[in-house]
Amino acid sequence: SSELTQDPAVSVALGQTVRITCQGDSLRSYYASWYQQKPGQAPVLVISGNNNRPSGIPDRFSGSSSEKTASLTITGAQAEDEADYYCNSRDSSGNHLRVFGTGTKVTVL
Amino acid sequence: EVQLAESGGGLVQPGRSLRLSCVASGFIFDDYAMHWVRQAPGKGLEWVSTISWNSSYRGYAESVKGRFTISRDNAKNSLYLQMNSLRAEDTAFYYCAREEWGTAYGGYWYFDLWGRGTLVTVSS
Repeated sequence: SSELTQDPAVSVALGQTVRITCQGDSLRSYYASWYQQKPGQAPVLVISGNNNRPSGIPDRFSGSSSEKTASLTITGAQAEDEADYYCNSRDSSGNHLRVFGTGTKVTVL
Repeated sequence: EVQLAESGGGLVQPGRSLRLSCVASGFIFDDYAMHWVRQAPGKGLEWVSTISWNSSYRGYAESVKGRFTISRDNAKNSLYLQMNSLRAEDTAFYYCAREEWGTAYGGYWYFDLWGRGTLVTVSS
């Protein structure tokens, strides 16, 4: 099975930019998707594919990918962006299994 | 309204079984592969299982393989997770999620719709 590694926590000043990374071998073959989860709520998709935002997700959220690293960037972070963020990708074994990253807690100061 | 609604969680003793359900509404259920994802209290998300639209493919995380069985009934717009030989470490919120996919970049997959989850507590 695959593993996706994220930094446990990052902080960002209000209005500044923060980048969250996700590293794993499966990212050489498959794009990551990104999910925001606030306390007591279900996860919400924020980025899919290379850099696709679902309707309703602010354009301050963007994604990118290089080699075995996927990144989620919040440009001009807002207080409401404080949450846990998880990446997800297909397993590198070639089947249809999935794997989540370890998660990053984003604190907006 | 497009939504997923899980049910069937509760308190169960170690070694016993439990069956979770997820009812879909507002979309054509059999157009989509479906997944179960769980989250232990205070922990991260863990992918559990997937089933293709026609049940021809089923996949499981190593942590549940041989104990959990995913199934679906497209006529009832329902997804299920049969959980046997439950352990304390299976205690978690269980979410069902819909898989969407795109054709660009050689193909990409993501979960675009989630239920609110149902809590399973395994304890004596």
